[in-house]
Amino acid sequence: DAMVIQNPRYQVTQFGKPVTLSCSQTLNHNVMYWYQQKSSQAPKLLFHYYDKDFNNEADTPDNFQSRRPNTSFCFLDIRSPGLGDAAMYLCATSRGTLAADSNQPQHFGDGTRLSIL
Amino acid sequence: AQKVTQAQTEISVVEKEDVTLDCVYETRDTTYYLFWYKQPPSGELVFLIRRNSFDEQNEISGRYSWNFQKSTSSFNFTITASQVVDSAVYFCALRFFSGGYNKLIFGAGTRLAVHP
Repeated sequence: DAMVIQNPRYQVTQFGKPVTLSCSQTLNHNVMYWYQQKSSQAPKLLFHYYDKDFNNEADTPDNFQSRRPNTSFCFLDIRSPGLGDAAMYLCATSRGTLAADSNQPQHFGDGTRLSIL
Repeated sequence: AQKVTQAQTEISVVEKEDVTLDCVYETRDTTYYLFWYKQPPSGELVFLIRRNSFDEQNEISGRYSWNFQKSTSSFNFTITASQVVDSAVYFCALRFFSGGYNKLIFGAGTRLAVHP
């Protein structure tokens, strides 16, 4: 059974046209993450939510934003996609982020591959 | 600084060969966790194993085994009798506590190709 679900698997958008990627989870985890993975590179953390508390990585471009309306859903908004934003976007969840919980693995969705025309 | 190095970019083997994927990490934390993930061509990241910094016991799970050596800051992964289905990119990752939150950083990955 899918536990972290990302829709769509493939997304094509035009240069500069806003796009939203979605992620939902059935694990009831309080933490949700968004990663960007470019071709042949490691996933790079963009930001994460601990419950409703949003945490942006220092080097995440302002072009990228996120929303988490409830525990189950999290969205990645790219306001004005450029050619350099073409990548796989991975959503992940985990239970807690306090030190005592840091052994919890992150569970990843299948990813959304974003192409920019 | 926290860092994970996977020096092997690509490895190619023939089915039934044993293969070891190397992972070296850097951290100043005394408590940390190490993970291995598999990313098949379909793209999802599949969790394989975690190990905490206080547990240096090696682990075997079927054809997979992991060798954690704190003295050399290494957490290597061996696949015994490799199969074509093992073909994937394998990522080693380090989880540490920073700024009040746990963070996960990945190595660059090792692409394993197993040929019939």
